[in-house]
Amino acid sequence: GENVEQHPSTLSVQEGDSAVIKCTYSDSASNYFPWYKQELGKRPQLIIDIRSNVGEKKDQRIAVTLNKTAKHFSLHITETQPEDSAVYFCAASIQGRGYALNFGKGTSLLVTP
Amino acid sequence: DTGVSQDPRHKITKRGQNVTFRCDPISEHNRLYWYRQTLGQGPEFLTYFQNEAQLEKSRLLSDRFSAERPKGSFSTLEIQRTEQGDSAMYLCASSFWTGDYSNQPQHFGDGTRLSIL
Repeated sequence: GENVEQHPSTLSVQEGDSAVIKCTYSDSASNYFPWYKQELGKRPQLIIDIRSNVGEKKDQRIAVTLNKTAKHFSLHITETQPEDSAVYFCAASIQGRGYALNFGKGTSLLVTP
Repeated sequence: DTGVSQDPRHKITKRGQNVTFRCDPISEHNRLYWYRQTLGQGPEFLTYFQNEAQLEKSRLLSDRFSAERPKGSFSTLEIQRTEQGDSAMYLCASSFWTGDYSNQPQHFGDGTRLSIL
């Protein structure tokens, strides 16, 4: 089955700096890659997603890049703010399996003022 | 529409008991997913429904687990003869699938936290 690896497991940055989280996947059939943010005790919330026919997508301070050949995708957060502190999960999914999500283990991001 | 709702929020039970959780998806969503999340880990896929049909089950879903979505709206997840290892957060998500390549994202509920004594 699909295996998603996520790095780093923890990341600490100063307010205003950029943060980058990287994920790799194993199944070349994966074609949809969402990123979720989960604050302590709360539900995962979608922050951005990308499909396999697109190499990059941006939404204000958040961007995601996808390299299908290398089977890796990354989340970039610019101008980080303390409220960006949370656990971030990447996921990969396959259309033929109903887009059931295979998640990475998460990255705990801490933004210090 | 208030999003995906799950009930109960917390469930504490003794080992060996049966438990049932409920998920109410966003009203127009035809796909419903169940995941399990343990502390410090990402959610793990358990099963999903398209309308009332259960189309995929993970190998994580042992014979003690059963899920239903009888009318294609709410879903229930039952765990029989609970074990210590069943302690986790059980998350439900829903999405709308149009039948073509462009799926809609999954929206999650707050989850049901199960604690086995």
